[in-house]
Amino acid sequence: ETGVTQTPRHLVMGMTNKKSLKCEQHLGHNAMYWYKQSAKKPLELMFVYNFKEQTENNSVPSRFSPECPNSSHLFLHLHTLQPEDSALYLCASSQDWGSQPQHFGDGTRLSIL
Amino acid sequence: DAKTTQPNSMESNEEEPVHLPCNHSTISGTDYIHWYRQLPSQGPEYVIHGLTSNVNNRMASLAIAEDRKSSTLILHRATLRDAAVYYCITRGGGSQGNLIFGKGTKLSVKP
Repeated sequence: ETGVTQTPRHLVMGMTNKKSLKCEQHLGHNAMYWYKQSAKKPLELMFVYNFKEQTENNSVPSRFSPECPNSSHLFLHLHTLQPEDSALYLCASSQDWGSQPQHFGDGTRLSIL
Repeated sequence: DAKTTQPNSMESNEEEPVHLPCNHSTISGTDYIHWYRQLPSQGPEYVIHGLTSNVNNRMASLAIAEDRKSSTLILHRATLRDAAVYYCITRGGGSQGNLIFGKGTKLSVKP
């Protein structure tokens, strides 16, 4: 039990589909993050939310649209994805944005056909 | 880009100590040194962090050089479950506190 739950664990979608990834934490944390981990590449930070406000967008294409309705939930809405978007998408949370340790979920493995 | 340098891979025998090195020669005076590990098919897991003094917790020990330009993560008795990729990361505060992952060190543990 990591404290950060991601659903679904696996997702296969076509390039024209629209889907959403969900992340949930009940650790009382105020900051939440999306990361992308492609094969043989380091984890890349995508988005940061602090107290439900987006504070970082690491030059992510607009086909990825994050949403943070409250401090416990984070979504990543996907539309018109490309094959190179196939990767492991990881969510994390921390008490505050900054030096506090981050707690990660086990990710959603996304495959684009 | 990651601001740390780690060996690509290391091997250890089960129940022996493991010393994982990390160089961070450009670290600033207020940056913390964090270690995470990622087991197969899982997200990264926080291991330990420190600023200047050596640190111990239930998972590992962190030895920080006096000039802070390098550090060593110490696993006192490696188990098969410790086989993972270990990431050394330097962090400041605010946006400087974002985790910038490098390639890490892949640790293999032999029975």
